[in-house]
Amino acid sequence: AQSVAQPEDQVNVAEGNPLTVKCTYSVSGNPYLFWYVQYPNRGLQFLLKYITGDNLVKGSYGFEAEFNKSQTSFHLKKPSALVSDSALYFCAVREMGQGGKLIFGQGTELSVKP
Amino acid sequence: ETGVTQSPTHLIKTRGQQVTLRCSSQSGHNTVSWYQQALGQGPQFIFQYYREEENGRGNFPPRFSGLQFPNYSSELNVNALELDDSALYLCASSPGTKDTDTQYFGPGTRLTVL
Repeated sequence: AQSVAQPEDQVNVAEGNPLTVKCTYSVSGNPYLFWYVQYPNRGLQFLLKYITGDNLVKGSYGFEAEFNKSQTSFHLKKPSALVSDSALYFCAVREMGQGGKLIFGQGTELSVKP
Repeated sequence: ETGVTQSPTHLIKTRGQQVTLRCSSQSGHNTVSWYQQALGQGPQFIFQYYREEENGRGNFPPRFSGLQFPNYSSELNVNALELDDSALYLCASSPGTKDTDTQYFGPGTRLTVL
């Protein structure tokens, strides 16, 4: 069965420092991986996705993510965090042939302090 | 903003009642997926509609049903409401049903069941 794990409920970072939000996945076939961000009382906003090709994917608002097949990971990164990046981040996976269904992790609360 | 709209924003119902939630998809998108996000959890896939037909369903009972209209807008209906149905209901539209298609989410409808 497909699954996603976000091992950290919360990540705290100082403004200007690099940030990493971790995600690992489990699928039986090729994975398609997504990151979304959710601000309070809002829906999910798409940040980036990995489909195939280059393992480093660049997305919106300066975020990037690195796909690592051997470690089954897809960690979200940003070189310099902003206070406005504080939000809830979700990793999601879709397995080949499951065109509709996204499997989401539990979410990681990112807090960036000035 | 994604162009996906949902109504109403908030809703309060009592146990046993029925509810209808509505979603308008982004222009050019013919596929709508519905998710339930309980407090402190990641979204869970309810079902997807493509060209007015159900195109995949998650582990939700039959009292969760849906419709898609010729203009690709969609409804989620929940009968015999239970307390555990209290959640944020998210609608997402996508240009199709391919594994690589990104789903773009609306702001959600917050349902409270008393």
